[in-house]
Amino acid sequence: QQQVKQSPQSLIVQKGGISIINCAYENTAFDYFPWYQQFPGKGPALLIAIRPDVSEKKEGRFTISFNKSAKQFSLHIMDSQPGDSATYFCAASAGSNYKLTFGKGTLLTVNP
Amino acid sequence: GAGVSQSPSNKVTEKGKDVELRCDPISGHTALYWYRQRLGQGLEFLIYFQGNSAPDKSGLPSDRFSAERTGESVSTLTIQRTQQEDSAVYLCASSLDRGVYYEQYFGPGTRLTVT
Repeated sequence: QQQVKQSPQSLIVQKGGISIINCAYENTAFDYFPWYQQFPGKGPALLIAIRPDVSEKKEGRFTISFNKSAKQFSLHIMDSQPGDSATYFCAASAGSNYKLTFGKGTLLTVNP
Repeated sequence: GAGVSQSPSNKVTEKGKDVELRCDPISGHTALYWYRQRLGQGLEFLIYFQGNSAPDKSGLPSDRFSAERTGESVSTLTIQRTQQEDSAVYLCASSLDRGVYYEQYFGPGTRLTVT
């Protein structure tokens, strides 16, 4: 049972463009939604996270949009740069739970 | 200080052999997690440690998998009688404490290939 569905699987964007990655979840107990960035040969690193009491969170060029009624959240990367090329994972967790449930990942390529 | 470290970085083993994967968490982090990342898949939770106890082993796929942790330090994930479907990257993470308020910091992983 895949509790967090992520799309697209891969994404190619031109430098300066906007990258958008979407995730949908099923478990209504989820209340913490982080995004992780993973470069080849490295472990995932926390990029940005949101809780459902807000609909949007922005940190620099990265924005999470959250739609609680639709049970969807998305990552927007503004002014995408070649250095943003990586695999991005959405994840979700519930309350004081420690387990992160991950999406399958999106391979982002930003062309110069 | 240093981040989470894992060893070996790569391990190739023959089907049926046992393997041990090591994780050194960030100093002072009481919580430690093991995840598995199969090719093209997201990370799957395997086991969680708080200190040296493992209150949640629900993600371990079979009784061939076991893990232990020494105090709030090193953890070892052991896979007995490896099978080809065990081939994956095994990632360890640590956090100051349990719960969503504490960021999980990941190591670089151990890539296990079972031939």
